[in-house]
Amino acid sequence: GQQLNQSPQSMFIQEGEDVSMNCTSSSIFNTWLWYKQDPGEGPVLLIALYKAGELTSNGRLTAQFGITRKDSFLNISASIPSDVGIYFCAVSPMANQAGTALIFGKGTTLSVSS
Amino acid sequence: DGGITQSPKYLFRKEGQNVTLSCEQNLNHDAMYWYRQDPGQGLRLIYYSQIVNDFQKGDIAEGYSVSREKKESFPLTVTSAQKNPTAFYLCAISIVRFTEAFFGQGTRLTVV
Repeated sequence: GQQLNQSPQSMFIQEGEDVSMNCTSSSIFNTWLWYKQDPGEGPVLLIALYKAGELTSNGRLTAQFGITRKDSFLNISASIPSDVGIYFCAVSPMANQAGTALIFGKGTTLSVSS
Repeated sequence: DGGITQSPKYLFRKEGQNVTLSCEQNLNHDAMYWYRQDPGQGLRLIYYSQIVNDFQKGDIAEGYSVSREKKESFPLTVTSAQKNPTAFYLCAISIVRFTEAFFGQGTRLTVV
């Protein structure tokens, strides 16, 4: 099946540092999503990207939809302890067809030390 | 209070017993999904449903069953045929016109 390659698998950083993670695919997708999962909870949608080349910010988070439509990255600036969690990228397998199931990367686990 | 409700939060069962996980939503979303999460494995799709009385198998449907008799409810049964049922189970919903999915808080199932 289709797969997303998400990297790095884990990160250990100091509070205040910037973080960058990315997601790549061998297939083209028209929608890229980024989720964050706190320990023991369900994932929460952070940013949704719908257009190739699009750069979107949500507070300290910035995500970009790659121009080739095969990749996306997520940056977190000035990390704080509550940024700890697992970050997932996700894509929709059918172009702009809702109700089909998302494909998820395996996640990047972020640890922040104060 | 609107949203997605999964219950219970924690569930313990003996090996060989069937168990049903609940997922209820009052947001009037058409599509509902069940995912399984294991450490380091991401989220894997078990079943999904786009309309009432219809559902499709996902990547790891073996050993699971679902029903969609009402728009608000999409229960998942973990049967005794599931070889390794201990996992974190997540229910999600989406509006038909959009691709974003919104998740419940999950149910952690432990089979002993």
